[in-house]
Amino acid sequence: DAKTTQPTSMDCAEGRAANLPCNHSTISGNEYVYWYRQIHSQGPQYIIHGLKNNETNEMASLIITEDRKSSTLILPHATLRDTAVYYCIVSPDSGGYQKVTFGTGTKLQVIP
Amino acid sequence: NAGVTQTPKFRILKIGQSMTLQCTQDMNHNYMYWYRQDPGMGLKLIYYSVGAGITDKGEVPNGYNVSRSTTEDFPLRLELAAPSQTSVYFCASRWTSGGAPDTQYFGPGTRLTVL
Repeated sequence: DAKTTQPTSMDCAEGRAANLPCNHSTISGNEYVYWYRQIHSQGPQYIIHGLKNNETNEMASLIITEDRKSSTLILPHATLRDTAVYYCIVSPDSGGYQKVTFGTGTKLQVIP
Repeated sequence: NAGVTQTPKFRILKIGQSMTLQCTQDMNHNYMYWYRQDPGMGLKLIYYSVGAGITDKGEVPNGYNVSRSTTEDFPLRLELAAPSQTSVYFCASRWTSGGAPDTQYFGPGTRLTVL
């Protein structure tokens, strides 16, 4: 499985866009990029995933570089409730055991 | 749907005691997982199951046992509790049909302290 690298922590002003980077330079062709977040020791929550194309849903946008070696999660208008640890994960598409490795993630602090 | 539920929410054990952490999902998911999360760390996979009657080890299975007799339930058993098992335990489930990519749904966690 591909390994990911994320900054340990980031700050973002409330109302501004939060851009969380992730490096996955060893990603394989069949591996998706997933983002989860964990708010204050609750169970992780799925945010978004993508393979090649940029993706957007009601929570966030995911920008994947053309070579797929890195991606950025964008929270367009960060609120205080977005303060959490954000995990970037790469995993093969479904059909088998999805061995996802949650590293230490990026701790995002949204500042009033 | 209640999603993934876990009981108890908190528990304190003495060294050498045993207990079972309960996990139930009502989404008819085939895959289920147990993770532990130590303070300030990421999640580590303990055991997983791809369906009723089928389980396998994850990264850190020592000191734990699991069973999967039904689709809904995936209990985690600690036989001889040790201080190193003090952690927050998360159960998760996922549906996969071998088609489109899918995601895991997590329970609220069980906070276990072994003294």
